[in-house]
Amino acid sequence: DIQMTQSPSSLSASIGDRVTITCQASQDISNYLNWYQQKPGKAPKLLIYDASNLEAGVPSRFSGSGSGTHFTFTISSLQRDDIATYFCQQYHNVPPRITFGPGTKVDFK
Amino acid sequence: QLQLQESGPGLVKPSETLSLTCTVSGDSISSNHFYWSWIRQSPRKGLEWIGSVSYSGGTYYNPSLKSRVTMSIGTSHNHFSLRLKSVTAADTAVYFCARGLTTVYFWGQGTLVTVSS
Repeated sequence: DIQMTQSPSSLSASIGDRVTITCQASQDISNYLNWYQQKPGKAPKLLIYDASNLEAGVPSRFSGSGSGTHFTFTISSLQRDDIATYFCQQYHNVPPRITFGPGTKVDFK
Repeated sequence: QLQLQESGPGLVKPSETLSLTCTVSGDSISSNHFYWSWIRQSPRKGLEWIGSVSYSGGTYYNPSLKSRVTMSIGTSHNHFSLRLKSVTAADTAVYFCARGLTTVYFWGQGTLVTVSS
């Protein structure tokens, strides 16, 4: 099975800061990588799909990049509403199978 | 607007079967080619995909749970269901139903299921 790691596991930042989270896959997954945001007590919300595509309605301060085994998620200017835990998720197509990273908790410094 | 709502017992005894239903509103399960999924979340294992069922009833399951999982779809009532047999305390989690398989586009609010005697 493909294992996903994320770093850091948590971070503290100030409003307006640039925030970067990395996700590493245990083997090449091409661009089969999504990013989700989860706020306490809520379900995850899709932000980025296929490594770098912004889901409709998601603010442009969120972005993703990478391919193969190394991926990056960036918030260009942290806003109060961005305090949440962020998860990466990889997928296989054949057979369909998905696994999530352990998450990165983002809070205020 | 699409809404997914999980329902079922919040407490299940060890060795028994966990049964949950997801009722879909704002979209028809049978009118498109989406897969419908169950995903759970626990402090111990994080987010874990359980499996997915298609509008036609085809299924894909997480290999680690496959021997205990059954998913089905009920197009007449626009819902889909999860059955997980022989549960243990390790199956205690928040269970989400969702639309999508390789990319999960929309999630229900989740329901906590505790396995305890």
